[in-house]
Amino acid sequence: AQSVTQPDIHITVSEGASLELRCNYSYGATPYLFWYVQSPGQGLQLLLKYFSGDTLVQGIKGFEAEFKRSQSSFNLRKPSVHWSDAAEYFCAVGRDDKIIFGKGTRLHILP
Amino acid sequence: GAGVSQSPSNKVTEKGKDVELRCDPISGHTALYWYRQRLGQGLEFLIYFQGNSAPDKSGLPSDRFSAERTGESVSTLTIQRTQQEDSAVYLCASIRSGRADTGELFFGEGSRLTVL
Repeated sequence: AQSVTQPDIHITVSEGASLELRCNYSYGATPYLFWYVQSPGQGLQLLLKYFSGDTLVQGIKGFEAEFKRSQSSFNLRKPSVHWSDAAEYFCAVGRDDKIIFGKGTRLHILP
Repeated sequence: GAGVSQSPSNKVTEKGKDVELRCDPISGHTALYWYRQRLGQGLEFLIYFQGNSAPDKSGLPSDRFSAERTGESVSTLTIQRTQQEDSAVYLCASIRSGRADTGELFFGEGSRLTVL
C-alpha cells in the first residue's frame, strides 16, 4: 500500500540554525515527491517537487530536498531558518493518480 | 476563476443532519481532489476526480460520504447523517491535466465543519 511517513510530529530549532525534516515513503514505483507548507491561517503552498533527474532539488524560500532511492526518503533541508519558517510541513507522494500526504511536521522556531 | 473556491467557509450543524460542501476548481484544471484535515492532524485523502469520473474513492470514510463532479467544474462533497467525528476542515485542490507530474496542487481555503 502507498504510504508517507513523517516521523517527527514536532521539531524545534533556533533561528539561524539548520533544519532537516524527514520523509519516507512506500510506493510501487518511484513516485513524484512534493513538500508543501501550511502557515498559520494560510492555505497549503508548494515548496518544491521532484519528478526525475538531479536528486537534489531547490525550492522556494531557500529550501532544498534530496531524493534517496535506496532509503525511500525525500528529506527537506534549510541551512538557516528564519522565524517566518514556523509552520506545518507536509511531504506528499503521487504519480498518475492520487496524491497522498504525510501527517505533517510542525516546526517551531526559538528566537 | 483565479483560484480554488470553496463554500461554505464555515458550517456548524447538528449531529444527524446532512451537509453539502462545494468546490469550484481553477478553470481548465481537469483533476480535483478532496482531503480532510482534522484538528492537529495531517491531510487525509478522500477522493479524486479525473474530469467527472472518480477513479479512486477508497479514501471515503463511510457510505455516509459521497461526492460528485459536473464535467470539469464544480464538485460537491455530501456528508449524510453527520457525526461528531466528521468535524474537520475539508480541503479541495485542483491540478492541471490530472497528472501529478504537471506540478502543484492548488488548494482552496477549506470548509470548516463543526458537528455539535
